[in-house]
Amino acid sequence: GENVEQHPSTLSVQEGDSAVIKCTYSDSASNYFPWYKQELGKGPQLIIDIRSNVGEKKDQRIAVTLNKTAKHFSLHITETQPEDSAVYFCAASGSNDYKLSFGAGTTVTVRA
Amino acid sequence: KAGVTQTPRYLIKTRGQQVTLSCSPISGHRSVSWYQQTPGQGLQFLFEYFSETQRNKGNFPGRFSGRQFSNSRSEMNVSTLELGDSALYLCASSLGDRSGYNSPLHFGNGTRLTVT
Repeated sequence: GENVEQHPSTLSVQEGDSAVIKCTYSDSASNYFPWYKQELGKGPQLIIDIRSNVGEKKDQRIAVTLNKTAKHFSLHITETQPEDSAVYFCAASGSNDYKLSFGAGTTVTVRA
Repeated sequence: KAGVTQTPRYLIKTRGQQVTLSCSPISGHRSVSWYQQTPGQGLQFLFEYFSETQRNKGNFPGRFSGRQFSNSRSEMNVSTLELGDSALYLCASSLGDRSGYNSPLHFGNGTRLTVT
């Protein structure tokens, strides 16, 4: 089955700096890669996703890049703010899998 | 539009008992998935339902079961509870109706199950 590895496990950044989280996946058939943000006491919230026919996608301060050849994808958060502090999960899925395989998560702390 | 609703939010059960968790998907969503979240294993896929049919199942013992009703609402059941079943159980819904296309999953806030 699909195996998703996520790094780093914790990340501390100064407010205003950028944060980068990287994930690798094992199944070359995977074609959908969402990112989730989970705050304390809540369920994961979808923040951005990318499909295998696209190399990069951006939404305001958040961007995701995908390298299919190397089987890795990354989340970039620019101009970080205290409200960006949370646990972030990457995930991967193939067509008709009907399931997501998640990375272990990255705890992001934005220092004021 | 209301989000995914899970009830109850918290449950405390004793080993050997059984438990039923409920999930109401976003209106119009026909796919419901269940995930288990623990500090040690992270987010693990349990099963997915679409139009009352299970389309995929994760690697969990048969004590874990689920079903979906005609209104897309779903329940999952865990029988003969073990201490290791203590976890946050998350339900997610999606449109799920296009073959070969991954519809975005939207999660509820989960049911926190504690087994003592």
